[in-house]
Amino acid sequence: GQQLNQSPQSMFIQEGEDVSMNCTSSSIFNTWLWYKQDPGEGPVLLIALYKAGELTSNGRLTAQFGITRKDSFLNISASIPSDVGIYFCAGQGVSGNTGKLIFGQGTTLQVKP
Amino acid sequence: KAGVTQTPRYLIKTRGQQVTLSCSPISGHRSVSWYQQTPGQGLQFLFEYFSETQRNKGNFPGRFSGRQFSNSRSEMNVSTLELGDSALYLCASSLSASAYGYTFGSGTRLTVV
Repeated sequence: GQQLNQSPQSMFIQEGEDVSMNCTSSSIFNTWLWYKQDPGEGPVLLIALYKAGELTSNGRLTAQFGITRKDSFLNISASIPSDVGIYFCAGQGVSGNTGKLIFGQGTTLQVKP
Repeated sequence: KAGVTQTPRYLIKTRGQQVTLSCSPISGHRSVSWYQQTPGQGLQFLFEYFSETQRNKGNFPGRFSGRQFSNSRSEMNVSTLELGDSALYLCASSLSASAYGYTFGSGTRLTVV
């Protein structure tokens, strides 16, 4: 099925370091979303982006909606052990307001205390 | 308020059997979407329901079906189970038929043996 290209696939970092991950697509999207998933749980919404160029923060998290509407990035500053998990980007297409989200393959983040 | 509730949490079925999974959305939410999550394919959209109507369908065979009841609760059914149907099935709900504020449940882990 259709997917976004998310990178990196995995990251192993030291506590306190900053993290950056991004997603690209060959299609444009109306909305970009970033989710975090812990083992055995469903994804939890971290940040939603609705306009091209939009830069939004949520605590230590910052995400941007690319100008071309085909990409987005997520930054995590000063990582802590509870940031461990899988991060997914998701795009909602231009065909209208539906619940169909296209997900990236995920970035697995591990934080060494 | 209660989140999205999916039952059962775990399920083991034999090839050829059928299975029904249940999703109770957040109270007041009328839109429900279903996703299949596997290590190989990631998160794939199955279908979306709004006010008992299927609004969108993903690229899955006809063995996968769903429905939504008047109280917004939703079920999905998989007939003639195959080994490849083993996955985490996630349900997400939202106030309206859009991606804004979609909340995921914890999922049903289906294992086909």
